[in-house]
Amino acid sequence: DGGITQSPKYLFRKEGQNVTLSCEQNLNHDAMYWYRQDPGQGLRLIYYSQIVNDFQKGDIAEGYSVSREKKESFPLTVTSAQKNPTAFYLCASSITIQGENEQYFGPGTRLTVT
Amino acid sequence: AQSVTQLGSHVSVSEGALVLLRCNYSSSVPPYLFWYVQYPNQGLQLLLKYTSAATLVKGINGFEAEFKKSETSFHLTKPSAHMSDAAEYFCAVSEGIGGSYIPTFGRGTSLIVHP
Repeated sequence: DGGITQSPKYLFRKEGQNVTLSCEQNLNHDAMYWYRQDPGQGLRLIYYSQIVNDFQKGDIAEGYSVSREKKESFPLTVTSAQKNPTAFYLCASSITIQGENEQYFGPGTRLTVT
Repeated sequence: AQSVTQLGSHVSVSEGALVLLRCNYSSSVPPYLFWYVQYPNQGLQLLLKYTSAATLVKGINGFEAEFKKSETSFHLTKPSAHMSDAAEYFCAVSEGIGGSYIPTFGRGTSLIVHP
């Protein structure tokens, strides 16, 4: 089955530690995205990548970093510079066909930093 | 610039009653519009999308939405609510400018269904 996998489902870290969230897709989609979700705030875009070896900052990129070395993979690192890292993180991918585009989402990773 | 407003952070209905979740958008070009559903601790699942074909769009689980350009609205409806419809619903708009399709999401509406 094609889809997007995020691991782990739950992640706990101590303050001051960097942590990397995994996102893998086997949909052959060119574009991938990372969102952060907090209660009552909807989804906020952290980073996105439209092609391998290229990525762009979203609305809340500070304290985060990404890489896109392979089409299938788009890992997100939450650095110690991120002031409020505890949140639900969602990865998505998309493809555009004849001008139509829709996103497919992974199951999410809930990060708790104490 | 694009934006989305979802009226009401919480909507409560009785089982069997009409569901109406409101979404208004702003966009500088003809938009693509989406409704997603999210169950607790899960990712988002696409319910339906508007891409300039029919203005009344039918989706999964009996949901539908109507695109009204004059009102800049894309409200989500379902004639009869089920307990299983209880979830968070997100409206999103995407302009597709310059080949880039970065959607903007609303803050979400939590649908509560009472027995």
